[in-house]
Amino acid sequence: AQSVTQLGSHVSVSEGALVLLRCNYSSSVPPYLFWYVQYPNQGLQLLLKYTSAATLVKGINGFEAEFKKSETSFHLTKPSAHMSDAAEYFCAVSLPSGNSGYALNFGKGTSLLVTP
Amino acid sequence: EAGVAQSPRYKIIEKRQSVAFWCNPISGHATLYWYQQILGQGPKLLIQFQNNGVVDDSQLPKDRFSAERLKGVDSTLKIQPAKLEDSAVYLCASSLYQLRHLTLNTEAFFGQGTRLTVV
Repeated sequence: AQSVTQLGSHVSVSEGALVLLRCNYSSSVPPYLFWYVQYPNQGLQLLLKYTSAATLVKGINGFEAEFKKSETSFHLTKPSAHMSDAAEYFCAVSLPSGNSGYALNFGKGTSLLVTP
Repeated sequence: EAGVAQSPRYKIIEKRQSVAFWCNPISGHATLYWYQQILGQGPKLLIQFQNNGVVDDSQLPKDRFSAERLKGVDSTLKIQPAKLEDSAVYLCASSLYQLRHLTLNTEAFFGQGTRLTVV
């Protein structure tokens, strides 16, 4: 079955530094991949998604991710961290669900801390 | 556009009591999901509806959990009786449709969730 693994449950960066959050997927075929962000006491908000149209995907708030089939990776990056980026980030893959649908299968999440 | 609405936001109950959560998806969204998010973990799918039919409930603990979406719009998730390990955030999400035979997979929008504490 397809799944995602997020490396590092906690990542700490300084304000203005590069953000790199790692996600690897296990799949024999190109999957639908997503990054979601969750702020405290909030639901999940979609940052970006890969649907095989382009390997470099740009999302909201300056985030982007690159799909690398050879490395089975979909790492999330942002050139310069802001204090407001502190949140929990989830990588997810869309899996067949039941007989006719799709559902998201999430990684365990990475908590991003941004220090002044 | 109104988002996915969930209520209540917070609930504290004693073990063995029952509890119900309500979700109203985005208007026109055929697919509705209930996820359970235990502290420190990613969300786990409990049940998926397409209109008023169940697509997947393979991970729903059916001895204590039930869910319905009778008119294909809003949905209720119930736990009876609750256990300590049911303490979690219950997230509802909706999407326009998820049609595997057409390889159509649209974005899921999430509500703010209901935080359940079982004591």
